Amino acid sequence: AQRVTQPEKLLSVFKGAPVELKCNYSYSGSPELFWYVQYSRQRLQLLLRHISRESIKGFTADLNKGETSFHLKKPFAQEEDSAMYYCALMSGSARQLTFGSGTQLTVLP
Amino acid sequence: DAEITQSPRHKITETGRQVTLACHQTWNHNNMFWYRQDLGHGLRLIHYSYGVQDTNKGEVSDGYSVSRSNTEDLPLTLESAASSQTSVYFCASRETATGELFFGEGSRLTVL
Repeated sequence: AQRVTQPEKLLSVFKGAPVELKCNYSYSGSPELFWYVQYSRQRLQLLLRHISRESIKGFTADLNKGETSFHLKKPFAQEEDSAMYYCALMSGSARQLTFGSGTQLTVLP
Repeated sequence: DAEITQSPRHKITETGRQVTLACHQTWNHNNMFWYRQDLGHGLRLIHYSYGVQDTNKGEVSDGYSVSRSNTEDLPLTLESAASSQTSVYFCASRETATGELFFGEGSRLTVL
């Protein structure tokens, strides 16, 4: 069965510091991975997906099949990056999405 | 603009009562989902539907049911609410081409 693990429930960094939110997955097939973000008082929304290889709001994430990871990175964190981040795996013919337990990121001034 | 809406946004009910949470989307998406969000568990899939008259159980479906009589709506029913069902519930619909989920604003349910 597929699983997504986000080992850090809480992560705090100072403004301007690099940030990395960890995501590991287990899945025997070819994964499609996503990062979703929930800002305070806003809806969950897609941040980025590995297949598009894009950078959104300065964030990037590289799929590492050898380490089964899809860590989210940003070189210089901003206070507006404070939010709950969810890693998600889409798998199988039914394309079900499995979410990790989330990481609450706080960027301190 | 197309959107997805949930109602009610907040609900307090008593153990044993039936509760229905509404979800309505105007994107004409075939795929719709209900998740619950709990601290330490993230988002867990309750039920999902891939089209009219299609419903499927997710990871935590016990005590919940859904129906899909049209493309736009996927109501979630708690037949006999339990305190363990106190949670924030999110409905989502999915764009088939990209796999992107579009979420509602959430419904906070408290079962006393």
